[in-house]
Amino acid sequence: AQTVTQSQPEMSVQEAETVTLSCTYDTSESDYYLFWYKQPPSRQMILVIRQEAYKQQNATENRFSVNFQKAAKSFSLKISDSQLGDAAMYFCASQRRALTFGSGTRLQVQP
Amino acid sequence: GAVVSQHPSRVICKSGTSVKIECRSLDFQATTMFWYRQFPKKSLMLMATSNEGSKATYEQGVEKDKFLINHASLTLSTLTVTSAHPEDSSFYICSARDSGQTSYEQYFGPGTRLTVT
Repeated sequence: AQTVTQSQPEMSVQEAETVTLSCTYDTSESDYYLFWYKQPPSRQMILVIRQEAYKQQNATENRFSVNFQKAAKSFSLKISDSQLGDAAMYFCASQRRALTFGSGTRLQVQP
Repeated sequence: GAVVSQHPSRVICKSGTSVKIECRSLDFQATTMFWYRQFPKKSLMLMATSNEGSKATYEQGVEKDKFLINHASLTLSTLTVTSAHPEDSSFYICSARDSGQTSYEQYFGPGTRLTVT
């Protein structure tokens, strides 16, 4: 079974600043994927970034990047140059067959 | 990009009745779809994996006779909540995996808010 833990229920960041959301996971699989999803008030799940476990290089998507530490089973998300539109719930998830989600981190962006 | 639709977006039904929620992949084929449930301010919990042409695989603790899943075509999966009760009120989200891609990425529908009165 897979478990995903997000220890930060809420985070706040000033506009244009950088924030890091933490995530740890546990899996017995050797081949898996890790994801960060954003859920705005509309509740539509939006893929932010994806990391294949077999890749050592950290994934990057524009202002979003991850710090993937496979041995430590850590997968944090860094948001640079935060924008007001980044305010949302962020879910970390691991996937072998189906997705297992963490409990989420609510990100507030202060103008 | 890959689009998944859900219908209805909101539904209110009386206790004891059944309600059907549709999940459609609009521009790709999906042999596998997933149904999640999300309580207010909580995370998504996987209910079941819907497999085209075969029986769904339910997660532990999910009543298969209460939450009926049918995946009759490569673009449509349905979730029927039978004999609904107020505790079934929740936000239901489906996702679909593109059969034509080798990646594991899932595409999510916009969700259905079910209220049982």
